[in-house]
Amino acid sequence: EVQLLESGGGLVQPGGALRLSCAASGFTFSRYAMNWVRQAPGKGLEWVSTISGSGGIYYADSVMGRFTISRDNSKNTLYLQMNSLRVEDTAVYYCAKRRPGTTAAFDYWGQGTLVTVSS
Amino acid sequence: DIQVTQSPSSLSASVGDRVTITCQASQDISNYLNWYQQKPGKAPKLLIYDASNLETGVPSRFSGSGSGTDFTFTISSLQPDDIATYYCQQFDNLPPKLTFGGGTKVEIK
Repeated sequence: EVQLLESGGGLVQPGGALRLSCAASGFTFSRYAMNWVRQAPGKGLEWVSTISGSGGIYYADSVMGRFTISRDNSKNTLYLQMNSLRVEDTAVYYCAKRRPGTTAAFDYWGQGTLVTVSS
Repeated sequence: DIQVTQSPSSLSASVGDRVTITCQASQDISNYLNWYQQKPGKAPKLLIYDASNLETGVPSRFSGSGSGTDFTFTISSLQPDDIATYYCQQFDNLPPKLTFGGGTKVEIK
């Protein structure tokens, strides 16, 4: 059974940093592109970043230069290092796995971890 | 950057009604369009991938169609369990970027 479990969320002051983790199980982690998607309270979904199985990396303009996605295939874990956090980064952050055979459909999602940026 | 416009933002329909949601891309995106269902407090769930393919285990009352710039998501007979917000999602290859539509909140009349 595929499972994705995010951790690392919490309350941080503007300008601060957090690192999110997503522990994956139930599939061959190294083979699949992994993604971060966020959702501000009461708002819609926003794609944040993607890292392919081979290490190709893409970011949304809103986080470019501040967030860094990475993965440790030996630990089956996806990361999101978030620096220079802003109030508008407040959201539930989901990790999601790419569906095989598709370019960018996400077939499994974690339960999400809440990041609150506030003074 | 490619923009995606989803409509309507909300709708109210009766059980058994046919429900249609549309997404329009600002440029040709081939069939790189996916549809998700999200219930309150839950993660999104993939329903339709690559415009018209039903994800495994998803009821057949859900369907998708379209290519290029215009896409449609349909619930053929609305059920109480379908109360949720639905999102389209498109992929743009140049540069690699994903965009979600604004969402459609579906309620029972």
